[in-house]
Amino acid sequence: GQNIDQPTEMTATEGAIVQINCTYQTSGFNGLFWYQQHAGEAPTFLSYNVLDGLEEKGRFSSFLSRSKGYSYLLLKELQMKDSASYLCAWLSGNTPLVFGKGTRLSVIA
Amino acid sequence: DTGVSQNPRHKITKRGQNVTFRCDPISEHNRLYWYRQTLGQGPEFLTYFQNEAQLEKSRLLSDRFSAERPKGSFSTLEIQRTEQGDSAMYLCATMWGSYEQYFGPGTRLTVT
Repeated sequence: GQNIDQPTEMTATEGAIVQINCTYQTSGFNGLFWYQQHAGEAPTFLSYNVLDGLEEKGRFSSFLSRSKGYSYLLLKELQMKDSASYLCAWLSGNTPLVFGKGTRLSVIA
Repeated sequence: DTGVSQNPRHKITKRGQNVTFRCDPISEHNRLYWYRQTLGQGPEFLTYFQNEAQLEKSRLLSDRFSAERPKGSFSTLEIQRTEQGDSAMYLCATMWGSYEQYFGPGTRLTVT
């Protein structure tokens, strides 16, 4: 089967670091995406991991372990504007993205 | 602004009516996807075009739903005989070659 799981909600303090985990199960796998989605808006691309390891892009980093079916998104120096839903999604071949339900992150002062 | 536009942004309709949504992709993007998203869920795939050819349809796409992409440019998604369960955000995403999908702002449908 095809499954993707991530926590429903998380809360973190402004200036802190937060890690959002994502686990997936699929028979075919090309890569793992992370998208950010503010309430009422469309998802915006954050990162794409194909190979194992950590990809760093400014305050955001994403990690992938293909053997474990596991990824995480790391957000550093949290800002209030980072309050949003974070969606992980996997890609297999030319098929459409399969999204998790999203993790709603609340950043508090 | 990703360059993908969708119209209308909001649509309120009565149950049983037909609605049509439009997506205008980034001009050189040959792949176009439609997703549906309900509150608290991630986007769910509905259908996918490569140029004008509809290559895949989800089981979510009942026979009340139809999508077209004439000439491989803009796309329309029509829902006939709408039901309250059709209330959702309908998202269009386009891509060309690489892996990144660019999402439009979505059309929020409310069926009363």
